[in-house]
This record gives sequence, C-alpha cells and structure tokens, in this order.
Amino acid sequence: QSVLTQPPSVSGTPGQRVTISCSGSSSNIGKNTVTWYQQLPETAPKLLISNNNRRPSGVPDRFSGSKSGTSASLAISGLQSEDEADYYCSAWDDNLGGHVVFGGGTKLTVL
Amino acid sequence: EVQLAESGGGLVQPGGSLRLSCAASGFTFSSYWMSWVRQAPGKGLEWLANIRQDGNEMFYEDSVKGRFTIARDNAKNSLHLVMNSLRVEDTAVYYCGRGQTTFEYWGQGTLVSVSS
Repeated sequence: QSVLTQPPSVSGTPGQRVTISCSGSSSNIGKNTVTWYQQLPETAPKLLISNNNRRPSGVPDRFSGSKSGTSASLAISGLQSEDEADYYCSAWDDNLGGHVVFGGGTKLTVL
Repeated sequence: EVQLAESGGGLVQPGGSLRLSCAASGFTFSSYWMSWVRQAPGKGLEWLANIRQDGNEMFYEDSVKGRFTIARDNAKNSLHLVMNSLRVEDTAVYYCGRGQTTFEYWGQGTLVSVSS
C-alpha cells in the first residue's frame, strides 16, 4: 500500500483534458513539493513535473501540475495517443526520516 | 548528455548477494545526490536509498535497511548498491537516479531476479 494515493486508472479521448489526483498527508505533500513522472511502456520513468508545477525543458505545456493542502494533481490537456503511460507522483516525507514516497501509479488510457 | 547505465543484475538464490553498479557520465557526478529506485514486475515505483554528494550521509527505505548498502566512488563516477540477504520479494528492475528527492535522470534499469 502506497503512502500517496492515486487512482489506478483514468481514460480520455484524443483532445480531451484529464486529471490525475495524488493524495497524501501533512508529513509529505502538506509540507513538501510534489514531483510527477511519466513511464511509457517498457521504458524507464521520466521526470515530467517538479516542484509542484515546473516542467523540465522538453516537456510540452499540455502537462501541468498543481498542489493544494495535502493533495496534488496532474492535468493533461489536448490528450494525445502518445500520452498513454503510467504516471507516478512522489514527495519527500518528513515522518519517515528522509524518505521519498511514491504513489501507486495511474494508468492513462487514450481511447 | 547525461547518461546513467546500471549493471550487475541477474538471477540469485534467496539469501544470496548481488552488487549493482551505475555508471554516470555527462555531468559532474560529485555534485549530486544519487538514488536507487526499484520496480517489481507489474508494480509501482519504490524508492530504496539515496546518498549525499560526499558519500557521508545515506538514507534507506525500511524494508532494505540493514540488508542493502548504497555507496559511491566519485573518482570513478559510479554508484553502487550492495544487496545482501536477498528475498524473493526483492525481484525487480533496479534504477539509479540523479537527485535526492526529485530524480531528473534515470538509467535504463537492471533486472534482479531472486528465485530458487
């Protein structure tokens, strides 16, 4: 059972906007920044969003992140077929003595 | 170009040991925290350990504390994970990542299978 809670799956049609939620607690998301990773099938994870809402160079602005209290969200607008992947949120957890915690991952299916 | 390349994975019996390595290039290795993350077959990501730039501070996930040791050799731009007392549930792809809490770059992973 993951410390951060994500829905197991979400789906959308091309062009649609979808959101993926990530719920934590006061010791992780409530106090620290949230990071999002994208993992395409059979590949290593890739950094998608850092510091709650910062996109690394090369990540399309269709991807955006937000945080409020002990929850965070990843939004993908203008959904494309190549966005079909697993998405993970993560954060530092103060209660666990320097540990990084991940969500269980969300499988995005583009219908 | 930043590159991370893991090696050392393989098949090992329960109770056995394995040493993973991560060769880093394309950046000043000694300036960054480094981490290990694993992914069991069909499962999510699990952070395992990280190590400070000078190698003098490390943190471990509880399930591997006392069994796994993270280490680095800044002269050789390499990161290591020594895994002892391996269990069937340690079967996973092991990734090295650059960073302490946010992993900007990842290697391609190396598969560790623990089975009798």
